[in-house]
Order: sequence, then structure tokens, then C-alpha cells
Amino acid sequence: ELKVEQNPLFLSMQEGKNYTIYCNYSTTSDRLYWYRQDPGKSLESLFVLLSNGAVKQEGRLMASLDTKARLSTLHITAAVHDLSATYFCAVNPEGSNYQLIWGAGTKLIIKP
Amino acid sequence: DTAVSQTPKYLVTQMGNDKSIKCEQNLGHDTMYWYKQDSKKFLKIMFSYNNKELIINETVPNRFSPKSPDKAHLNLHINSLELGDSAVYFCASSPFGLRGETQYFGPGTRLLVL
Repeated sequence: ELKVEQNPLFLSMQEGKNYTIYCNYSTTSDRLYWYRQDPGKSLESLFVLLSNGAVKQEGRLMASLDTKARLSTLHITAAVHDLSATYFCAVNPEGSNYQLIWGAGTKLIIKP
Repeated sequence: DTAVSQTPKYLVTQMGNDKSIKCEQNLGHDTMYWYKQDSKKFLKIMFSYNNKELIINETVPNRFSPKSPDKAHLNLHINSLELGDSAVYFCASSPFGLRGETQYFGPGTRLLVL
């Protein structure tokens, strides 16, 4: 069974701190996506990681992909309240051009 | 200009009714998707169409029937609604499948079955 597991599922942290969200997956893939969802809103694409060792950064967020370990990380640097949201990773299994397998989401609350 | 739009945004209805949700994208994308997000925020793909052709048809009750009149539209019709159908339904599109391209999501349709 194809699985994508995010860890932790819930994270409450203080502004200014650093933290990492982990995304493990069980299938062969070199395409991994990170999305953000604000409460009651739609999903917004953050990063698309397309190869082993890929690293992308946008502001205080940095995502990386290790296809050999089947692991992606989303690192938050010096968190600010505006980053409070639910973060999803999703994997496109090898051989499929149309399917994404989604993690359960990590609900991130950043307290002032 | 809204890239992916859905109507209605909210839908409250009784069990046993039939309802439709409409989706339109003006991005010129070839591929469109329907997702269901349950109360625990878990996302599951239901259907995917590429250029009006059904590509993915996950294990979804046959009460759910998608229809793509053209590649810019993908509608979802639900027959005999059940309590368990209550969820947020998202439409999404991508240029051509997922070849390194992200999906763009619509605002969602919040369905409540009473």
C-alpha cells in the first residue's frame, strides 16, 4: 500500500524558533510537493521537488528531498505567526503521471 | 481573474437528494481533478481527467459521476446523498498531468448532508 506519513501531525511553537516537518513515503518517487492550507481555505502550492537532493527555499521555509531515504523535510526558520497553517506533502508515485498520494497534514500553530 | 473556480461554495442538502458541483479553470490546463477532504483534513483523489478523458477513477461509490464537457470544465454529480458525503470537495487542475507541475486548487465546495 502506498503511504505518505507526516510527522508531527500537530505542532505548536513560539515565534522565532526553528522547526522541521518530516514527510516519509513508501513508494519509489522523485516528485514531491508541499502545499499550505489556511483554515477554511484552499490549498496553495509551496514547493515542487523533482530530484534527489533538490532543495528549495522561499522566505522562512526550506524544503528538501532525499529520494534514497524516501524522505522530504520542510524546515521553518525563525517562525512568525503568519506561517500558522496546515502543511501537506504529496508524492507522485513513479510510473503515474496523474496521481498524488497525500500525507495527513501537519497543523502548525505559531504563538506570538 | 480566478484561475480555478467552483460553484457553489456551500451546499446544504437533505439525505437522498441529488446535487451537482461545477468546476471551471481558465489556465489552459489539460488535466483536472476532484478531491474529497474529510473532517480530519485528509485529502483523497476521486477522479482525474486529461483532455476530457477519464484517467483516474478511485474507489468511489458509483453515486458519484464526473463529467467533463470540455477540458476547461469538470463537473461532479452526486446521486442519493448520504451523511458520509459531507466534506469539502476541491477541484484542481495542472498543465499536463504531474510532470513536475503543481496542481492549482479551486476554493472548495463545502457540502453538508443533513
